[in-house]
Amino acid sequence: ELKVEQNPLFLSMQEGKNYTIYCNYSTTSDRLYWYRQDPGKSLESLFVLLSNGAVKQEGRLMASLDTKARLSTLHITAAVHDLSATYFCALGSSNTGKLIFGQGTTLQVKP
Amino acid sequence: EAGVVQSPRYKIIEKKQPVAFWCNPISGHNTLYWYRQNLGQGPELLIRYENEEAVDDSQLPKDRFSAERLKGVDSTLKIQPAELGDSAVYLCASSLDGSLGEYFGPGTRLTVT
Repeated sequence: ELKVEQNPLFLSMQEGKNYTIYCNYSTTSDRLYWYRQDPGKSLESLFVLLSNGAVKQEGRLMASLDTKARLSTLHITAAVHDLSATYFCALGSSNTGKLIFGQGTTLQVKP
Repeated sequence: EAGVVQSPRYKIIEKKQPVAFWCNPISGHNTLYWYRQNLGQGPELLIRYENEEAVDDSQLPKDRFSAERLKGVDSTLKIQPAELGDSAVYLCASSLDGSLGEYFGPGTRLTVT
């Protein structure tokens, strides 16, 4: 059974701190997505990772992909309150276009 | 460029009533998806269209759910009759060719009482 598991599911951190969200998946795939969702809002695409060793950065967020370990990470550097949201990773396929989402990690950044 | 448009944004109905959701994808996007997101969980695919053809509807509860995408543009998702467990956010997404990132609409929050 294809599974995408995130941890932690909830993360409370202080502004200025660093932390990493982990996304493990159970089968090979050729792309991994990260999305952000604010309360009551839809999903916003953050990153698409297409190959082993891929690293992408946008502001205080950096995503990486290790296809051999079936692991993607989303690293938060010097967190700010505006980053408070729920972050989802999703496993995709260029053949089917289907996304399998993780459970989501709710990030709360406290001032 | 306009994003994915969905309506209504909110819907409250009694169980056993029918309900329909509408989606207008980004112009030129051939692939359209309907997802259901339960509270505290990630979205789950219900159905995927390539133009007007439903190419993956394996997760669609066909006894009560139906969908159509006439002319390969707008799409409608219907539930009849609705059950309490159908309360969720129904998200529509579209993509250019099915292999790139998906763009999500704002969703319709359905409450079944």
